Amino acid sequence: NAGVTQTPKFQVLKTGQSMTLQCAQDMNHNSMYWYRQDPGMGLRLIYYSASEGTTDKGEVPNGYNVSRLNKREFSLRLESAAPSQTSVYFCASSENWGSNEQFFGPGTRLTVL
Amino acid sequence: KQEVTQIPAALSVPEGENLVLNCSFTDSAIYNLQWFRQDPGKGLTSLLLIQSSQREQTSGRLNASLDKSSGRSTLYIAASQPGDSATYLCAVATDKLIFGTGTRLQVFP
Repeated sequence: NAGVTQTPKFQVLKTGQSMTLQCAQDMNHNSMYWYRQDPGMGLRLIYYSASEGTTDKGEVPNGYNVSRLNKREFSLRLESAAPSQTSVYFCASSENWGSNEQFFGPGTRLTVL
Repeated sequence: KQEVTQIPAALSVPEGENLVLNCSFTDSAIYNLQWFRQDPGKGLTSLLLIQSSQREQTSGRLNASLDKSSGRSTLYIAASQPGDSATYLCAVATDKLIFGTGTRLQVFP
């Protein structure tokens, strides 16, 4: 039981490049989330998927897209990376949306030059 | 808009001390409050979750309390150890999880 896994762990991009961050959970959770963590800002919600087949914007969605590929997997895509997207990205999941305990992956440290 | 504040931002104590970390929030309409631990360069580990109808939760040397009416939660760590050194985050669940910026704790031998 691996919990929430994320790939890659580290990534360096040049401005304008694109990439997809992958996330998978093996807890049969319905809801999944993408956060970014920046110094002094705490964690902020980018996008979430309350259930398979649905996605919604969080607090800071600009510059990102997501895909809920199936119940297990939720990917985050940067179409044209910008230095402002340098951050640590965390994926999380919970049994259901809103009231349940969230479990986090180990994070992806992204640097955009 | 829900805002979550954690005080102090950093804390350094000798081993063995009992600690209190504070978390305050501006809107009492929450589903639950969750405390996390984050080690440097790592993800978040859930420590305790208190449902809105509960007053406290305990796990080992950790005890978290919740006072919804005053918008406050405390995390009490008994007999602190160097292994407790980490950043502690609280988060309140409304329709989304809103995080505080954390308290960085260092426990020295």
